[in-house]
Amino acid sequence: QLQLQESGPGLVKSSETLSLTCTVSGGSISSNNYYWGWIRQPPGRGLEWVGSIYYSGSTFYNPSLKSRLIISVDTSENQFSLRLTSVTAADTAVYYCARIGSGNLHSWFFELWGRGTLVTVSS
Amino acid sequence: SFVLTQPPSVSVAPGKTATITCGGNNIGSKNVHWYQQKPGQAPVLVISYDSDRPSGIPERFSGSNSGDTATLTITRVEAGDEADYFCQVWDNRIDLLYVFGTGTKVTVL
Repeated sequence: QLQLQESGPGLVKSSETLSLTCTVSGGSISSNNYYWGWIRQPPGRGLEWVGSIYYSGSTFYNPSLKSRLIISVDTSENQFSLRLTSVTAADTAVYYCARIGSGNLHSWFFELWGRGTLVTVSS
Repeated sequence: SFVLTQPPSVSVAPGKTATITCGGNNIGSKNVHWYQQKPGQAPVLVISYDSDRPSGIPERFSGSNSGDTATLTITRVEAGDEADYFCQVWDNRIDLLYVFGTGTKVTVL
């Protein structure tokens, strides 16, 4: 059964870089049928799509984060990663990684999620 | 950007029906997906493509989508259905590919 697990520092200082990795187990990240994505949720608030990546390296970013965001993939390690630069308190959130599928149709959704990791930006 | 509006909260008695709406401009022309998020847990997909239930999701969960409103319906509500529910659409015609609704807290009385 495929599982996703986020890892990375739980505390990041303001103006520094937030780095997280999602490790995929029980299946290959190099699948033609899926994208892989990051979603975040500030405490007590709603969900926000951060960005997505295909195993080939093609990326799609939330326009509001695009200037500070890099998502990369390491197929040899079955992992994908997020780097968000110049963080502020507004970036404090639970960050989830997820597998994105389409059911072989024409829309995409987050069909499997990691448990999430809380990242707090401190001043 | 495309905005999806949900009521902040819905209250329902056990055994009754909960109706959660997701409003957006001509949302009926898009495919809507729904997630359930229990406290302290990651979201779980409960409905895809407006009305399809993934494996393992009870038949009590159903969905519809038409005009400017998509709807998630939970029949015979149980205490375990108490959670936040989010709708989501994908649209490659806009920069923000994935849009989530504002979320609805379902409280079982």
